[in-house]
Amino acid sequence: DAGVTQSPTHLIKTRGQQVTLRCSPKSGHDTVSWYQQALGQGPQFIFQYYEEEERQRGNFPDRFSGHQFPNYSSELNVNALLLGDSALYLCASSLTHGPGGGTYEQYFGPGTRLTVT
Amino acid sequence: DAKTTQPTSMDCAEGRAANLPCNHSTISGNEYVYWYRQIHSQGPQYIIHGLKNNETNEMASLIITEDRKSSTLILPHATLRDTAVYYCIVRVGRSNDYKLSFGAGTTVTVRA
Repeated sequence: DAGVTQSPTHLIKTRGQQVTLRCSPKSGHDTVSWYQQALGQGPQFIFQYYEEEERQRGNFPDRFSGHQFPNYSSELNVNALLLGDSALYLCASSLTHGPGGGTYEQYFGPGTRLTVT
Repeated sequence: DAKTTQPTSMDCAEGRAANLPCNHSTISGNEYVYWYRQIHSQGPQYIIHGLKNNETNEMASLIITEDRKSSTLILPHATLRDTAVYYCIVRVGRSNDYKLSFGAGTTVTVRA
C-alpha cells in the first residue's frame, strides 16, 4: 500500500519565478492538504482540497494556489517566488468519507524542499 | 481549536519509557487529542489520538486525565530512532475546520 508521495524532493528557484509541486495521496484517500514548514518551526496549513475544490485555506496570499485532479492527486503552485517562500512543503492525505463519516487523521509525505535564491 | 502547551525539550535514556506531557486546559467536549512526531527532515508521522479514554497502539500509549485538561504520550521502550519533535494537537474530530494546527512541539532526544 503506497503512502503519500511528493515530487520533486528538492528544488532551487530564483526570486520571481513560479513553481509547481506535486502530491499523490495514500491509496484510498480522497482529501489532500498542503503545509509549509519554515526551518525550526512547525508546519503551517496552506489549504485543503476535496472533490477537486479548495474547501479551507490558511493565512497565505493568493500567490499560493492549488488543484486537485479526479484521481485525487494534487498540485501546489506558487507564483512570484520570494526568498521567504524557502521552506519544506508537505502534503498530507486523509479520508473524508470513511465509515461513520467525518475526517480522519492526516498522513504526510516526505515533503519537497524548496530553496529560493 | 484549543491551544496546547508542551515542554520545549526533554531527554530520555534508551530502553526506558518516555513520558511526554501536554497541557490543553481549554479543550472542549468534542475535541480530540492527536499526537504526531517529525523525525529530522521527514514529514510528520501520525502516532495516536483519543477523546477521553486511554488509548494504546503499536507505537505508543495515550493517557488523558479525567478532566481532559492534560494528557501524556508514553513511548514504552524508547529507542534512538524515537529521537524527533513530538507535536500534541487538539481539534474537533468532525467539523468544517480541517486543518492541523502545529505548535512548536517537544524535541525529544533519546540517548544511548
